[in-house]
Amino acid sequence: DIQMTQSPSSLSASVGDRVTITCRASESISNYLSWYQQEPGKAPKLLIYDASSVQSGVPSRFSGSGSGTDFTLTINGLQPEDFGTYYCQQSYSISWTFGQGTKVEVK
Amino acid sequence: EVQLVESGGGLVQPGGSLTLSCAASGFSFSSYWMHWVRQVPGKGLVWVSRIKSDGSTTNYADAVKGRFTISRDNAKNTVYLEMNSLRVEDTAVYYCVRRSAVAGTGDHWGQGTLVTVSS
Repeated sequence: DIQMTQSPSSLSASVGDRVTITCRASESISNYLSWYQQEPGKAPKLLIYDASSVQSGVPSRFSGSGSGTDFTLTINGLQPEDFGTYYCQQSYSISWTFGQGTKVEVK
Repeated sequence: EVQLVESGGGLVQPGGSLTLSCAASGFSFSSYWMHWVRQVPGKGLVWVSRIKSDGSTTNYADAVKGRFTISRDNAKNTVYLEMNSLRVEDTAVYYCVRRSAVAGTGDHWGQGTLVTVSS
């Protein structure tokens, strides 16, 4: 299976901050990379697909970049509703695999 | 509005069986691949299985192969996950996920149903 590694595992940030989360794949996945946000007790919500395409309805402060093995999720101007856990996911192979998650908390 | 509603979770003893259902609405169900993903409370997301739009192709994670069966009834807009020989390590919230028509990822998730395997 393709392994996905996120960093950092957690971070503390303030409203208005720029936040960057990285994700590395164990082998090239082209641009088959998605980012999800999960709030406690809720299902994951798709933010970014194909590495840099923003899902409909997702605020423009969210952006993604990268290809091959290295990817980045950026939140420009963190908002109160952005706190939660973020996961990257590859859909290059039949069996999706996810990063271990990055918990974004209030500083 | 796309809706996915899982049901069928609960408490079951090790070695037991359970069948999860996911009722879909708000989209052309028979045109979409469907997946199951699980999550141990407080832990990460793990892909379980997928089924093609017409039911002709299925795939499973190694951890559940031979024990779980995914199926669908396009007339009822429902996807199922039959789980047999359940183990303590199968305890998790199980999510039903629609695969996007434009990308290979999951664009809509159900609210999840909790399966607890314990004696």
